[in-house]
Amino acid sequence: DTGVSQDPRHKITKRGQNVTFRCDPISEHNRLYWYRQTLGQGPEFLTYFQNEAQLEKSRLLSDRFSAERPKGSFSTLEIQRTEQGDSAMYLCASSYDWNDEKLFFGSGTQLSVL
Amino acid sequence: KQEVTQIPAALSVPEGENLVLNCSFTDSAIYNLQWFRQDPGKGLTSLLLIQSSQREQTSGRLNASLDKSSGRSTLYIAASQPGDSATYLCAAQIGSARQLTFGSGTQLTVLP
Repeated sequence: DTGVSQDPRHKITKRGQNVTFRCDPISEHNRLYWYRQTLGQGPEFLTYFQNEAQLEKSRLLSDRFSAERPKGSFSTLEIQRTEQGDSAMYLCASSYDWNDEKLFFGSGTQLSVL
Repeated sequence: KQEVTQIPAALSVPEGENLVLNCSFTDSAIYNLQWFRQDPGKGLTSLLLIQSSQREQTSGRLNASLDKSSGRSTLYIAASQPGDSATYLCAAQIGSARQLTFGSGTQLTVLP
């Protein structure tokens, strides 16, 4: 059990560029969540997957945000045409199954949009 | 819509002191209430999870209580140490997605 892994740890980009983040959950964890955290605030739920199925995406912040989890393993979160307001920490979490209440969080990807 | 509030936003105490962090939530229809620790620039570490049917949970020097009827939870830290300095977040687990709704956290500083 190596924990939830996120890559990269830090990303600096210019406004208007596209960025993609990767999350590798704990192996055999079926549920995967994405959260966003801005400075001084708690994490905010964005979306989640049960295996490869994305079951909730209405909380994604705009149509510039999209997430995938091909084959139910790792997941990617993409932000197109980044804006300065997208600067935040993007956190990934996983749990074994829908009835497993304990979430394990990764260390996050810190995005800075210049 | 569930809202979670934490008071105080920041707290500074001398080493050895016992302290209480407060968390309130607006909707009592929760699966559980969880407390996390976050160090600067890092992810979240789970501390305690209290089921909706439980009143409290303990782990070492930490004790968390839950009162669903009043929409409140507290995290009690005994004999605080400088290594306890971090941001403490509470979160209510809700909905079919079992997503967490977080408070804004309490930033704790324990002075040596």
